Amino acid sequence: GENVEQHPSTLSVQEGDSAVIKCTYSDSASNYFPWYKQELGKRPQLIIDIRSNVGEKKDQRIAVTLNKTAKHFSLHITETQPEDSAVYFCAALRRTGANNLFFGTGTRLTVIP
Amino acid sequence: DTGVSQDPRHKITKRGQNVTFRCDPISEHNRLYWYRQTLGQGPEFLTYFQNEAQLEKSRLLSDRFSAERPKGSFSTLEIQRTEQGDSAMYLCASSIPTGSGNSPLHFGNGTRLTVT
Repeated sequence: GENVEQHPSTLSVQEGDSAVIKCTYSDSASNYFPWYKQELGKRPQLIIDIRSNVGEKKDQRIAVTLNKTAKHFSLHITETQPEDSAVYFCAALRRTGANNLFFGTGTRLTVIP
Repeated sequence: DTGVSQDPRHKITKRGQNVTFRCDPISEHNRLYWYRQTLGQGPEFLTYFQNEAQLEKSRLLSDRFSAERPKGSFSTLEIQRTEQGDSAMYLCASSIPTGSGNSPLHFGNGTRLTVT
């Protein structure tokens, strides 16, 4: 099966600074890597995703990079704002066979105004 | 709201009782997933349906757990003889396959189960 590790578990940044969250995965067959944001008491919401045929994807202040050789991917948030404070989860999914996402343990991001 | 809906939002039950949760996926999504999330952890996969067929079950899904999706639309998750360790948030998600691979999962707000 897949094993996804996520670091750090908590992250505090000053408003306006950048935040980086890193994940590694174990199954080289995994080829889809979404990131979810979960606010307290709410559903996980997809914020960005990347497929294994792409090395980087950007959406406004959020970017994800993927290194297939090293089997790690990272979330980058620039110009952080207080509303970015939440728990962020990375995940990995195999395209064929298993159709379930394996999630990391989450990173609690706090943006200090 | 045309997203994934789950009912109930909260359920408190006594140990040993049976509980059933319902999930209504996004209407055109033929894939439906159940996940369990405990405090401070990421969601853990429980089971997956494509239309009415249950295609995969996690080893986390003990014999006390059963899920159905009889008409390929809504799904139910039943837990029999609940234990305190079953206390968690039960999340449902749905997706639709795309030509390029799996599409994103859309989660519901979950059912929070507390077993006393």
